[in-house]
Amino acid sequence: SQQGEEDPQALSIQEGENATMNCSYKTSINNLQWYRQNSGRGLVHLILIRSNEREKHSGRLRVTLDTSKKSSSLLITASRAADTASYFCATDVARDDKIIFGKGTRLHILP
Amino acid sequence: DSGVTQTPKHLITATGQRVTLRCSPRSGDLSVYWYQQSLDQGLQFLIQYYNGEERAKGNILERFSAQQFPDLHSELNLSSLELGDSALYFCASSVGLGGDRLETQYFGPGTRLLVL
Repeated sequence: SQQGEEDPQALSIQEGENATMNCSYKTSINNLQWYRQNSGRGLVHLILIRSNEREKHSGRLRVTLDTSKKSSSLLITASRAADTASYFCATDVARDDKIIFGKGTRLHILP
Repeated sequence: DSGVTQTPKHLITATGQRVTLRCSPRSGDLSVYWYQQSLDQGLQFLIQYYNGEERAKGNILERFSAQQFPDLHSELNLSSLELGDSALYFCASSVGLGGDRLETQYFGPGTRLLVL
């Protein structure tokens, strides 16, 4: 398995419900970011959480970070059809220059 | 619109050929990143340049090379192409090295490469 792994791989929920995606990583990080990608398009930055932060909010997004468990979660509340996309977490490994993206969670919001 | 532009949008070529992908970062951004996205490998970080100098290297093959020019645009050269090189290639840019090593990156629309 690789540094950033999202779970689940795919998720379908009804519009209006909350969606939760998880990201696990292996090594120490400086910070972690979540990105959204609409089909075949470039990634769009959603939120950054630093390694010394535990929770962060941005609109309908809530991100948590648990460095002891090496995991992060992205919660999207009151989902909308426009939230249908793939969601990726990205980490930079401490003391290394590599940037690691997970394989993403494909979120599908059902009308 | 992220402000990052990539050309061409689509590229179809044959095995063994060489192609060049071009990226123009957002105005003022000094760092450029290249990524390869394929169905089986996900989004793979290839290489980062900062103000003309190579800053970080990821899973970039020896057949691939990149550079960043004085005007900060970047090119990714892919040579001796193989079928497996078919993928989406993204360029991203960020302001540059700051307190956080991983800065917010702004992604271009990508170049879709198909090797036949």
